Amino acid sequence: GESVGLHLPTLSVQEGDNSIINCAYSNSASDYFIWYKQESGKGPQFIIDIRSNMDKRQGQRVTVLLNKTVKHLSLQIAATQPGDSAVYFCAEIHRGESGGYQKVTFGIGTKLQVIP
Amino acid sequence: EPEVTQTPSHQVTQMGQEVILRCVPISNHLYFYWYRQILGQKVEFLVSFYNNEISEKSEIFDDQFSVERPDGSNFTLKIRSTKLEDSAMYFCASKRSGGAANTGELFFGEGSRLTVL
Repeated sequence: GESVGLHLPTLSVQEGDNSIINCAYSNSASDYFIWYKQESGKGPQFIIDIRSNMDKRQGQRVTVLLNKTVKHLSLQIAATQPGDSAVYFCAEIHRGESGGYQKVTFGIGTKLQVIP
Repeated sequence: EPEVTQTPSHQVTQMGQEVILRCVPISNHLYFYWYRQILGQKVEFLVSFYNNEISEKSEIFDDQFSVERPDGSNFTLKIRSTKLEDSAMYFCASKRSGGAANTGELFFGEGSRLTVL
């Protein structure tokens, strides 16, 4: 039969409010994490990254928090704007079998809808 | 701003046909990747390529798939005999460096949508 796509979690926020998008990662050996933004019909776009020896990193309007104890990553967007509407993926980086930092594994994604 | 470019943007093909998706990575990048995204699902790793050889591949990347860097600028993904379930958006990505100093930042192309009928 026809396969059904995953139902993406959706977060709706009012323009100007802060958004928090959460992600649980799977591999405790992952030592590098990235948040990507994907607008409809486009490729993933890098937002911010964090190494496993950090628990917080700030960018412009965005903050990533890492909790390795519970394998949880979050992305905070301050003063959310309509242009922030997109699907947000977390990605974990870990060594592939070849030993290099080459394998990126994406999470399911969360759809952020900004209400004007 | 340098970018990864992909062609075609959309390809429709009959089941069993061969398809070649093309990518031009950013010029000073050394690591190249193909990912796919089935409609409504997450982005899935297919293969990574470095120094003219495959460095990593997923279980999705079976014998029907191959990659090539024929001329130093293009990076292609070939599907020899397409199946219905190959219908997806295929993303090419490139990265400047790898190893311990890796920033991890992949630059993605806009994707090639493959529809298999």
